[in-house]
Formats: sequence, structure tokens, C-alpha cells
Amino acid sequence: NAGVTQTPKFQVLKTGQSMTLQCAQDMNHNSMYWYRQDPGMGLRLIYYSASEGTTDKGEVPNGYNVSRLNKREFSLRLESAAPSQTSVYFCASSLQTGDLYEQYFGPGTRLTVT
Amino acid sequence: GEDVEQSLFLSVREGDSSVINCTYTDSSSTYLYWYKQEPGAGLQLLTYIFSNMDMKQDQRLTVLLNKKDKHLSLRIADTQTGDSAIYFCAESDEDNQGGKLIFGQGTELSVKP
Repeated sequence: NAGVTQTPKFQVLKTGQSMTLQCAQDMNHNSMYWYRQDPGMGLRLIYYSASEGTTDKGEVPNGYNVSRLNKREFSLRLESAAPSQTSVYFCASSLQTGDLYEQYFGPGTRLTVT
Repeated sequence: GEDVEQSLFLSVREGDSSVINCTYTDSSSTYLYWYKQEPGAGLQLLTYIFSNMDMKQDQRLTVLLNKKDKHLSLRIADTQTGDSAIYFCAESDEDNQGGKLIFGQGTELSVKP
């Protein structure tokens, strides 16, 4: 199993450019998540998808859109990148056992917006 | 709203015990979690504790939970240089929909030889 994969690993964008971050999991998990990580701020949830066909906003959704393409894939789109979106982005999926959710993370995408 | 607080840095000598502390606000969280992030990598689930337990031990790791004070700690015995990483505690989001977690800021553990 590859687990959770993300592409690209690194990206530099100019302000106003758009891009899509790709995420896929091969563990048959229902729930998937997009986080951003900034120094001293921990991980903040951007969007999540509790199951195929549903998406919901997290703590910091402004400037982002998502698509749950199928059970495996969950993409994050920046329509018009801004310097404030410079961050490390993590995708995760979770295995549910009752109320226990074990989240599995991808390796991250390091995005710089100039 | 919910909040999870951790101190940002901890430095210990190799062989000592490390104790990483966390406070949380949502008393309804069924599970509380500790994740580890090594440099340049994503987070990995280290351990978790069910909310009706006071303590959980797993090899060199001991998790203590004080529900009254909403305080969670992670003790690493015989800390090694390979334990240098950022450690995050997390609680379940209050509506627990879709398995959302609220993460603390992370504690960067530095282990000196």
C-alpha cells in the first residue's frame, strides 16, 4: 500500500496564479482532509470530506475549493494564489472504528506564493 | 470554541525522560491523540487514549489524562536522538462529524546527545 500520496511535493506560484493539489489514498477510507501547517499555528483544517460525494468547510476555507472526485481522490484548488497561502499543505484520510478516527497523512506539498 | 494548547519547545538530554503537556477544552472528546512529525514529513499517529482512562502505557510511551483539569501529557522514557520531532496533541471536534480533529500548535522536542 502506498498510503496517502500527494503531488506535487514543491510548488512556487506567482500571485494570482491557480493550481490544484492532488491527493489519493489506497486504504479505502471514507473520510479525507486538507490541512495547512504554518509555524507556531499547528495544523488548521481547510476542508474535509466525510464520505464520497460530500465536502464541508473547515476552519480556514477562504481562497480554496475542493473536489472529492471518487473515494480515493480529494483535490484542493487555489483559484487565485496569494502570498498568505504560502504554507505546507497536508492531505489525510482516516480509518474509523466506532468513535476512534486514526488519521493517516501524506508527505505534504510545500507551496510558496511570490 | 475548541482550543488545544501546547508549549512550543522542549529540550532534553539523551537518556532523560521527556514530558510533553497539552490542555484541551472539549470535555466530550471520546479519544485524545498524540501525533509525531519528523522533519520534512507528514504526521504519524503515535498513540491515543480513550477518555474514560487515566493512563495508557505503550513501551517507552506513557499517556496521562486528567479529565477534571482537561490536561493530557505524553511521557517518553529514555529519550533518544531519534525522538527529536514535533509532537502534536489533538482532540475530536465537538460534533465529531467526519472524524475532524483539533490540533495543538505542536511541541518541538530537541534531544541533545
